[in-house]
Amino acid sequence: QQQVKQSPQSLIVQKGGISIINCAYENTAFDYFPWYQQFPGKGPALLIAIRPDVSEKKEGRFTISFNKSAKQFSLHIMDSQPGDSATYFCAATFSGTYKYIFGTGTRLKVLA
Amino acid sequence: GAVVSQHPSWVICKSGTSVKIECRSLDFQATTMFWYRQFPKQSLMLMATSNEGSKATYEQGVEKDKFLINHASLTLSTLTVTSAHPEDSSFYICSASDGTATDTQYFGPGTRLTVL
Repeated sequence: QQQVKQSPQSLIVQKGGISIINCAYENTAFDYFPWYQQFPGKGPALLIAIRPDVSEKKEGRFTISFNKSAKQFSLHIMDSQPGDSATYFCAATFSGTYKYIFGTGTRLKVLA
Repeated sequence: GAVVSQHPSWVICKSGTSVKIECRSLDFQATTMFWYRQFPKQSLMLMATSNEGSKATYEQGVEKDKFLINHASLTLSTLTVTSAHPEDSSFYICSASDGTATDTQYFGPGTRLTVL
């Protein structure tokens, strides 16, 4: 019940295309869902995050779509660029605990 | 803002020696810090959670006598890998939270440990 399932494991997208990464959770008590981007040999960096009271949040080319009833949330990267090639992790947590449950990660490669 | 640093960025040591990794929050006070371990092409595995001035809380399966964590101030936490062995070689990452309602963890750049 504490797991966060992430898919796909890897993704190849053409430059300019849309990258979509999905995550699903079981525990309905989770109330904060961040996405992190990690380049090889670096620490994860926060991209965007959402709470269950909204269905969508957009920041630049990055959008989170949140479906509370389905217990799913997804990251959309519009106009994907080669510089977006990285590993993306979704996570979930209970507000105030700061303790994250991470997904397994998605390795994105954007072809030039 | 919200910058977390780690030192060293990489370290090579001989089997049996101890290695200390520092994690600092540079522009905020970190009420809670976390230590993660990451193997190649895998997700982040939480090792322990530490609050300033308190003993760390270790995740199941993590040896607290092997991985010593000290959170002596609101800007510094250290992880000491004692009597390191080759199987301890990994990428260690710390993160910090400022205790506000944002629930955000800010991650450091990581430390690559290689034990020969």
